[in-house]
Amino acid sequence: DGGITQSPKYLFRKEGQNVTLSCEQNLNHDAMYWYRQDPGQGLRLIYYSQIVNDFQKGDIAEGYSVSREKKESFPLTVTSAQKNPTAFYLCASSIGGGAQETQYFGPGTRLLVL
Amino acid sequence: AQKITQTQPGMFVQEKEAVTLDCTYDTSDPSYGLFWYKQPSSGEMIFLIYQGSYDQQNATEGRYSLNFQKARKSANLVISASQLGDSAMYFCAMRPLYSSGSARQLTFGSGTQLTVLP
Repeated sequence: DGGITQSPKYLFRKEGQNVTLSCEQNLNHDAMYWYRQDPGQGLRLIYYSQIVNDFQKGDIAEGYSVSREKKESFPLTVTSAQKNPTAFYLCASSIGGGAQETQYFGPGTRLLVL
Repeated sequence: AQKITQTQPGMFVQEKEAVTLDCTYDTSDPSYGLFWYKQPSSGEMIFLIYQGSYDQQNATEGRYSLNFQKARKSANLVISASQLGDSAMYFCAMRPLYSSGSARQLTFGSGTQLTVLP
């Protein structure tokens, strides 16, 4: 089955620690995205990648880093510079190009700070 | 820049009845797409329906239809024959159709929590 997987489902971070959230897709989509969702709010874009080895900052990129070494994978690292990382993180992908570029989402990772 | 406004934080509907979830938007882009997503308590965002700004007809997808009024800048979601499984958070989102880079990002509203009553 084609889809987007995210792991882990829950992640705990200690003070000063970097953690990495995994996102994998087998939809053969070119574009991938990372969003952050805080309680009772909509999604905000952290980073976006249109093709391998290329990515761009979204609205709230500070304290986060990404890589795109493979088309299928777009991991997100939450660094110690992100002072308020507790949130729900959603990864999405889209086929790239075209007028109707629907983004499809993974199941999400909930990050909590210890 | 785009902005999405969803003014109903919570809505209740009786099972089997229809419900309308409001969405208004603001954009300077001449061409744009409007999307509705459903987020159940599990957290995953599920794509429901899409409307292009140039589409002459309102989009429909099963029990979902989009009441698109371009002059009013509104894109309300109508769910017919509500089911208990429709209880979820619903998000309206938009993006410009022909921009590049991060301008292609989706802009989301704050969502409406729909509860279907038995």
